[in-house]
Amino acid sequence: DGGITQSPKYLFRKEGQNVTLSCEQNLNHDAMYWYRQDPGQGLRLIYYSQIVNDFQKGDIAEGYSVSREKKESFPLTVTSAQKNPTAFYLCASTVGTGPYEQYFGPGTRLTVT
Amino acid sequence: GEDVEQSLFLSVREGDSSVINCTYTDSSSTYLYWYKQEPGAGLQLLTYIFSNMDMKQDQRLTVLLNKKDKHLSLRIADTQTGDSAIYFCAESSGGSQGNLIFGKGTKLSVKP
Repeated sequence: DGGITQSPKYLFRKEGQNVTLSCEQNLNHDAMYWYRQDPGQGLRLIYYSQIVNDFQKGDIAEGYSVSREKKESFPLTVTSAQKNPTAFYLCASTVGTGPYEQYFGPGTRLTVT
Repeated sequence: GEDVEQSLFLSVREGDSSVINCTYTDSSSTYLYWYKQEPGAGLQLLTYIFSNMDMKQDQRLTVLLNKKDKHLSLRIADTQTGDSAIYFCAESSGGSQGNLIFGKGTKLSVKP
């Protein structure tokens, strides 16, 4: 089965700790994305990568970091510099040519206390 | 800047039609999309429409595009309780076609 996996589904951390969220795809997609979702806020783009070893900041990159060492993997690190890290995080990928449909993983709910 | 607007809530009775509306600002968007999100889950692509089309139908779903008014709608015929979810409208970013701009989502509640 082709798809996008995110792990874990739920993650709990203490304030001040860095945490890494996993995103893996076996769709052979070139581009991958990380979004943050808060209630009533829709989706906000954190980082995206259109090719291996390259990535760009989205609208709310502060306090986050990413890497893209392999085509299949795009992990997101939520650092202690992120002021309000508690949120639902969604990873997506697209083939990179029209019609650019993005396919989403099931999400990771991060709670920081 | 680019923006996508949707009303936040819609309530319908089971068996009625639902119409979810969306307006967007980027006239250079090539594609427009509708996604569905069930509680605690990721987004599921329902359908998309190319900007040179006026309408697209897929089983119970009908998408209408008014490019002049930058207005997109999703009609769900014979709405069922299983259609209760949040529906997101999105446009492809004119500057970087693979990037999508999402609305805040419309929560559809279907009453039996």
